[in-house]
Amino acid sequence: DGGITQSPKYLFRKEGQNVTLSCEQNLNHDAMYWYRQDPGQGLRLIYYSQIVNDFQKGDIAEGYSVSREKKESFPLTVTSAQKNPTAFYLCASSLAGVVDEQFFGPGTRLTVL
Amino acid sequence: GENVGLHLPTLSVQEGDNSIINCAYSNSASDYFIWYKQESGKGPQFIIDIRSNMDKRQGQRVTVLLNKTVKHLSLQIAATQPGDSAVYFCAEMDSSYKLIFGSGTRLLVRP
Repeated sequence: DGGITQSPKYLFRKEGQNVTLSCEQNLNHDAMYWYRQDPGQGLRLIYYSQIVNDFQKGDIAEGYSVSREKKESFPLTVTSAQKNPTAFYLCASSLAGVVDEQFFGPGTRLTVL
Repeated sequence: GENVGLHLPTLSVQEGDNSIINCAYSNSASDYFIWYKQESGKGPQFIIDIRSNMDKRQGQRVTVLLNKTVKHLSLQIAATQPGDSAVYFCAEMDSSYKLIFGSGTRLLVRP
């Protein structure tokens, strides 16, 4: 089965702790993306990567960090500097540099207590 | 970035009726548009796309209309079913191949 997996589905952390969200894809896509979604709102781009070992900030990158050491993986770290980390986080992938759809994972709901 | 509100606009339709969901996009240079469906607690799913050299595209029970003059996109769902209840997002692709999402519309289907 080809697709994007995100784990875990639900994640709880104490305030002040860093947490890393996993995103893996086996679609052979070069481009990967992280979005944040708050209740009743649209998707906002956090970071994206068009190729391995390269990534760019999106619209709301402050308080987040990413790495892209492998084509299949694009983990997102929510750091303690992120003031309102509780949200639904979505990972997506697509072919790079072409006009085409993005495929989304099932999402991770992060709750900071 | 997008100006997103705290409350999604909601469209309520009777089962079996047609639904029309509208979206205004921001960049007249955008040349690719997608409609996504998002069910509660899940990731968005692709429904249909359209390129700027077209003004209409049809899928199974869905039609997307593009009006570039007024930067307007619409999604028509024929014979709406309870399983169509979800939040629908339009997205436009910018010049660096990033998608910019609208704030979404909630579709409620009444039995």
